[in-house]
Amino acid sequence: KAGVTQTPRYLIKTRGQQVTLSCSPISGHRSVSWYQQTPGQGLQFLFEYFSETQRNKGNFPGRFSGRQFSNSRSEMNVSTLELGDSALYLCASSRGSGGRTNTEAFFGQGTRLTVV
Amino acid sequence: ILNVEQSPQSLHVQEGDSTNFTCSFPSSNFYALHWYRWETAKSPEALFVMTLNGDEKKKGRISATLNTKEGYSYLYIKGSQPEDSATYLCARGSGNTPLVFGKGTRLSVIA
Repeated sequence: KAGVTQTPRYLIKTRGQQVTLSCSPISGHRSVSWYQQTPGQGLQFLFEYFSETQRNKGNFPGRFSGRQFSNSRSEMNVSTLELGDSALYLCASSRGSGGRTNTEAFFGQGTRLTVV
Repeated sequence: ILNVEQSPQSLHVQEGDSTNFTCSFPSSNFYALHWYRWETAKSPEALFVMTLNGDEKKKGRISATLNTKEGYSYLYIKGSQPEDSATYLCARGSGNTPLVFGKGTRLSVIA
């Protein structure tokens, strides 16, 4: 069974640009969550989508947005990029929704975004 | 979102040593506690998901316990091997919030 696929794997953007990252979850998983990981920080929760609806949103500015399609694939968008947005962005899919799940989350390999 | 704390932040052990680390979390509105292993250049992979107070789970040389009343979980590795070197993450799930991750414990096993 195919795992969680994130594209692209690596990305270099300039300050002020916008970026879109993609995540294809495991077949049958309806929940997709996005996390940001920077050095010294844990996985910071961005948002979670379940059946095309945003269920939860983390404490990030409005420049960070996302959506989920009917096939459960998800995209996240960051507009007006700042240097501090440089990070590894991970998505995770699961059967259940967010914290209300007793089954594990499956992670993609992440997109490494560098803003210069 | 309430914090999940992990200690120690990093750990160096000799091959063959046994080790353990701690995950502390708010006990209110608890639903599940997850442990993940994250090796360099790979994706985090689930080790255990525990829900009940007193749960103990084991996978090979790795085991975990859960105390939901006092809000902590221990992860044990018996006879550490170099391939156990990774960052170990715990995450708490509750009824109303998404999984909240700790910052992880980075384990290095020296051959």
